Amino acid sequence: AQTVTQSQPEMSVQEAETVTLSCTYDTSESDYYLFWYKQPPSRQMILVIRQEAYKQQNATENRFSVNFQKAAKSFSLKISDSQLGDAAMYFCAYRPYGQNFVFGPGTRLSVLP
Amino acid sequence: DTGVSQNPRHKITKRGQNVTFRCDPISEHNRLYWYRQTLGQGPEFLTYFQNEAQLEKSRLLSDRFSAERPKGSFSTLEIQRTEQGDSAMYLCASEQGGRQNEKLFFGSGTQLSVL
Repeated sequence: AQTVTQSQPEMSVQEAETVTLSCTYDTSESDYYLFWYKQPPSRQMILVIRQEAYKQQNATENRFSVNFQKAAKSFSLKISDSQLGDAAMYFCAYRPYGQNFVFGPGTRLSVLP
Repeated sequence: DTGVSQNPRHKITKRGQNVTFRCDPISEHNRLYWYRQTLGQGPEFLTYFQNEAQLEKSRLLSDRFSAERPKGSFSTLEIQRTEQGDSAMYLCASEQGGRQNEKLFFGSGTQLSVL
């Protein structure tokens, strides 16, 4: 079975500091995508960053970057210069090409002023 | 592009009643998904449409649940004879399809409370 594990139910970070959220996944597929989605309280889920498994280069989007370790099946999200608006649930998701998404249980991130 | 729209935002119903939710995807997106999310969990897949065809249903989707997407535009999700265990957030998502477009755009969800 394909599973996504987020071992940190809750994390906190001081404003302007850096935080890393962990994600591991289990798969036998070779062609897949990995995602981080953000869900602020009472608001819709939005895509933060996306990584194709066949690309060795780690994806970056402004203050957000990933550390993709394919052999270890690890996909962590680094948030630099954390802002109050980064406070949210963060979901790691895995998608084999042409199949459905599998979401992790989420990590609740608090940003302290 | 006005995003994925879901109605209603909140629905409170009594056990045994039927409820229907609506999702309007982004207009050029041919794929539409329904997910269920309970507190503290990630979204769980329910069903998926490509245009008007329902291509996959999760085993989570009991025979009390039915979804339609007439004409490949908006979609409805109906729950008959609701049970307290149906209380959850029901999320709709859409995507355009194609290798470069594999990413979901979510609506704000419909929060269902069954009393």
